[in-house]
Amino acid sequence: DMKVTQMPRYLIKRMGENVLLECGQDMSHETMYWYRQDPGLGLQLIYISYDVDSNSEGDIPKGYRVSRKKREHFSLILDSAKTNQTSVYFCASIHNQAPLFGEGTRLSVL
Amino acid sequence: GEKVEQHESTLSVREGDSAVINCTYTDTASSYFPWYKQEAGKSLHFVIDIRSNVDRKQSQRLIVLLDKKAKRFSLHITATQPEDSAIYFCAGNTGNYKYVFGAGTRLKVIA
Repeated sequence: DMKVTQMPRYLIKRMGENVLLECGQDMSHETMYWYRQDPGLGLQLIYISYDVDSNSEGDIPKGYRVSRKKREHFSLILDSAKTNQTSVYFCASIHNQAPLFGEGTRLSVL
Repeated sequence: GEKVEQHESTLSVREGDSAVINCTYTDTASSYFPWYKQEAGKSLHFVIDIRSNVDRKQSQRLIVLLDKKAKRFSLHITATQPEDSAIYFCAGNTGNYKYVFGAGTRLKVIA
């Protein structure tokens, strides 16, 4: 069954702490994404990755960085998290041209 | 860059009626438009899509219409049921696999 897996599902951090969100897929999809979802704003693209070490900024990359060292794994890193990075983060990979989303990570930065 | 605007932020319909959600886009090069459903507290799930080489596509009770001249596409849900209640997102593909999403429409089906 095709699936995008995100870990952790819920995370609480203090302002200034580092955050690592992980995403995996076992379908050998080349293209993967990180989005954040905030009420009333829909989904905003943070980063897109076209393959290993081939990453491109999305619309809101500031405050985030990504790592893709294996095709099946795409990480989102927040160095020194800020309270305005409290959000729900979705990872996705391309399946039949449309993004296939993971279950999301709900991050609270206090 | 591409912008996708979703016109209805909320929509209420009676069970059995049709619901229509409208989206517009700005980039004439956009060629693929998927729709997603998000139930409360859950992720986004693909429901239907349309490519720019057609102007209508149907999958059971879901119909998508595309008007390339007006840069507008719409999702029609016929014979609505309570389980259709959710947030629906439209999206456009700007090329290079970059997808831009609308802000979402919260559909409530009243029994």
